[in-house]
Amino acid sequence: DAGITQSPRHKVTETGTPVTLRCHQTENHRYMYWYRQDPGHGLRLIHYSYGVKDTDKGEVSDGYSVSRSKTEDFLLTLESATSSQTSVYFCAIGREKVEQFFGPGTRLTVL
Amino acid sequence: KNQVEQSPQSLIILEGKNCTLQCNYTVSPFSNLRWYKQDTGRGPVSLTIMTFSENTKSNGRYTATLDADTKQSSLHITASQLSDSASYICVVSSETGANNLFFGTGTRLTVIP
Repeated sequence: DAGITQSPRHKVTETGTPVTLRCHQTENHRYMYWYRQDPGHGLRLIHYSYGVKDTDKGEVSDGYSVSRSKTEDFLLTLESATSSQTSVYFCAIGREKVEQFFGPGTRLTVL
Repeated sequence: KNQVEQSPQSLIILEGKNCTLQCNYTVSPFSNLRWYKQDTGRGPVSLTIMTFSENTKSNGRYTATLDADTKQSSLHITASQLSDSASYICVVSSETGANNLFFGTGTRLTVIP
């Protein structure tokens, strides 16, 4: 998986609780991305980062925030989880903007 | 509107047979096109990447073609194996824009013995 780990791999939580997903890379890649994958949809970009403390919104950023304080870590936070955020979340990394190596995914269930 | 459409949505074939998956896109300006394989419960893994000037790229039993004029790509799988059962995702990159990757919804391939 190109030196990418995601934690946790599975999580069940309740509506209204905060949730943080972690993506860790050992490749020293500049770009890091968070996607969600839902049935009937392609992978959809939530947020991405182009360097430490440099982040930008993606297609479906509402309800999500991110932080990147170190090159190797990119955190995705759901401040108050909702059932619509039940999904599989993938982190990806890349040296260039058009390069993507994906992590193993985190399955999140919000009850 | 930049879009990527894949067909068929799902496909079942017998082990040893060949198959072809299709990808049509309207992304402009075009940078490159990738095919990914995603096994159940895993992240997508890149199979091939093609730029504007390339019209064929192979990776073992996988051969991707690109027609930049008609904005179509295909992924041909030869002599299918049970391990080819997966979703295949077409991704097109644009040269411009902050969100410059456009994903198809994938083709779910099932290879049966």
